[in-house]
Amino acid sequence: GENVGLHLPTLSVQEGDNSIINCAYSNSASDYFIWYKQESGKGPQFIIDIRSNMDKRQGQRVTVLLNKTVKHLSLQIAATQPGDSAVYFCAPQRYRDDKIIFGKGTRLHILP
Amino acid sequence: DAGVIQSPRHEVTEMGQEVTLRCKPISGHNSLFWYRQTMMRGLELLIYFNNNVPIDDSGMPEDRFSAKMPNASFSTLKIQPSEPRDSAVYFCASRSRLTGTNNEQFFGPGTRLTVL
Repeated sequence: GENVGLHLPTLSVQEGDNSIINCAYSNSASDYFIWYKQESGKGPQFIIDIRSNMDKRQGQRVTVLLNKTVKHLSLQIAATQPGDSAVYFCAPQRYRDDKIIFGKGTRLHILP
Repeated sequence: DAGVIQSPRHEVTEMGQEVTLRCKPISGHNSLFWYRQTMMRGLELLIYFNNNVPIDDSGMPEDRFSAKMPNASFSTLKIQPSEPRDSAVYFCASRSRLTGTNNEQFFGPGTRLTVL
């Protein structure tokens, strides 16, 4: 039957190119922002976070940019590889928060 | 560390049967979370525990669902009676809850439940 479900934004990127996954948020009181990656058949996995007093944070092949003025952050993946194929979630957090509210995420599709 | 352990990995049952999902958090973690993931609703938090105490069960769909955490190393999520609409992947996650640290939760591999 037809697979009806959440309409995930999908980003298709050529292998080797850079990927930019965008995320908008509404709570300006957030203390930090986290990114999770969920590969097919697996649970979500923490990638990187960024504190609200930072504009940029770099990890291994990933860079997070935060623009508090427009309440936007992005996850940049350099030299995208097939293993980067996954759904990516961003979530604003307060230090007192226990819960993570996962939105619908963005699917990253790698083209060969 | 083996990470978060969930069992069974797959469960197929018939409508009306009782289903029990199990989770062993990472040793030393004091917060435990149960999530459900479906195509229709995405990843939803059902309930979470801090220091074995249920803190927020507002995500539990209805009285057919119950969760327990009798000790720091074990939790169960029970569905009784199960219904076809309960079919989903159920994830357990754990976290070391320290003030001022980020909210990194470690997820298990999930249990794929199919209710016929």
